[in-house]
Amino acid sequence: GAVVSQHPSRVICKSGTSVKIECRSLDFQATTMFWYRQFPKQSLMLMATSNEGSKATYEQGVEKDKFLINHASLTLSTLTVTSAHPEDSSFYICSATDSFILGETYGYTFGSGTRLTVV
Amino acid sequence: GQQLNQSPQSMFIQEGEDVSMNCTSSSIFNTWLWYKQEPGEGPVLLIALYKAGELTSNGRLTAQFGITRKDSFLNISASIPSDVGIYFCAGSLTGTASKLTFGTGTRLQVTL
Repeated sequence: GAVVSQHPSRVICKSGTSVKIECRSLDFQATTMFWYRQFPKQSLMLMATSNEGSKATYEQGVEKDKFLINHASLTLSTLTVTSAHPEDSSFYICSATDSFILGETYGYTFGSGTRLTVV
Repeated sequence: GQQLNQSPQSMFIQEGEDVSMNCTSSSIFNTWLWYKQEPGEGPVLLIALYKAGELTSNGRLTAQFGITRKDSFLNISASIPSDVGIYFCAGSLTGTASKLTFGTGTRLQVTL
């Protein structure tokens, strides 16, 4: 089945620094990737949608200059949290889709998430 | 952003019991998905529903896509300890590569 690898699984950074999170589709070409944020005991909230080779589309209220998304290839998207602050501490999850893997997974495969703690 | 309302918010049941949870929306979706999330992990797809009225099973799990396209339910029969987790519904409007809207989640605890 389709596999999405997310790295790192956990990261602790100092306030004011930047953190990069990678999302890779291992066995399919991900035409679209999605980035979510999940606070404790809450649901997944979509941050942005990225298509390979084009600028990401951000959801309302998400600062595009703070959460930089790059989707330079069909297998890799990165989310960079710039100038991180403690309130950015959260669980970040990516998902990837390829219209050619309908049926088994409906094309949405999720990564295992990244726990970001800003101190 | 928009969220789907799930109920109940949490459930504490005994092993062997059946479980039922549902998801409602104020707007129509043309695809409903049910996911399970365990601590520190991403969601894993359980069942996908593509047509209004569709009833689909996956082992002990059964889900239905409501006729109005504004709701869905998930049933788990004969629960076991490994069913513990958070169950999310998600709706999509226009097919693959369109964004998912997630429900508020149902936290399931199973006791022996």
